[in-house]
Amino acid sequence: KQEVTQIPAALSVPEGENLVLNCSFTDSAIYNLQWFRQDPGKGLTSLLLIQSSQREQTSGRLNASLDKSSGRSTLYIAASQPGDSATYLCAVPLPSGANNLFFGTGTRLTVIP
Amino acid sequence: NAGVTQTPKFRILKIGQSMTLQCTQDMNHNYMYWYRQDPGMGLKLIYYSVGAGITDKGEVPNGYNVSRSTTEDFPLRLELAAPSQTSVYFCASRHEGHRSSSGNTIYFGEGSWLTVV
Repeated sequence: KQEVTQIPAALSVPEGENLVLNCSFTDSAIYNLQWFRQDPGKGLTSLLLIQSSQREQTSGRLNASLDKSSGRSTLYIAASQPGDSATYLCAVPLPSGANNLFFGTGTRLTVIP
Repeated sequence: NAGVTQTPKFRILKIGQSMTLQCTQDMNHNYMYWYRQDPGMGLKLIYYSVGAGITDKGEVPNGYNVSRSTTEDFPLRLELAAPSQTSVYFCASRHEGHRSSSGNTIYFGEGSWLTVV
């Protein structure tokens, strides 16, 4: 069974710092990996999707990498801002069977002004 | 575009009561999903639908039912509510399935907070 782990559960950084969020998965037979942002009391917003054939994807100050062989993905946030404060979740589809996304438990990021 | 709309936002139920969480999307998406999110846990799939008239169980379907009579609507019904169903419920939709190589975006509603007492 696929397991998705995100460590740390919470992270606080001063404004302007570059940071890395981690996502680990146990089954490397994934089609893609997605990173989401969740603000308090809100739904999830898709940030980046990396296909299994790709090594990384970039959107503005965000850069996501994928290493299937090691079962790891990272989300790099450059020059962090207070508006980046949110919970970040990664998710991978099941390789077969039910049409499902397995979510990590998320990393709660606080950027201190 | 309204995107994915869920109602109600908050609800308190007594044990044994029933209710329906409504979900509507206006993007003509084929795939729709219901997830629940418990504190400190990731989202878990309850039910999903690949099109009108087609539904299937996800990871945690017990105690829930769904229907998909139209492309737009995907209501989730709770029968005989139990304290274990206290959670935040999210509806989501996308044009194609999760394993699609086209990278189509999944859209989430803002959630429905349900407490069973």
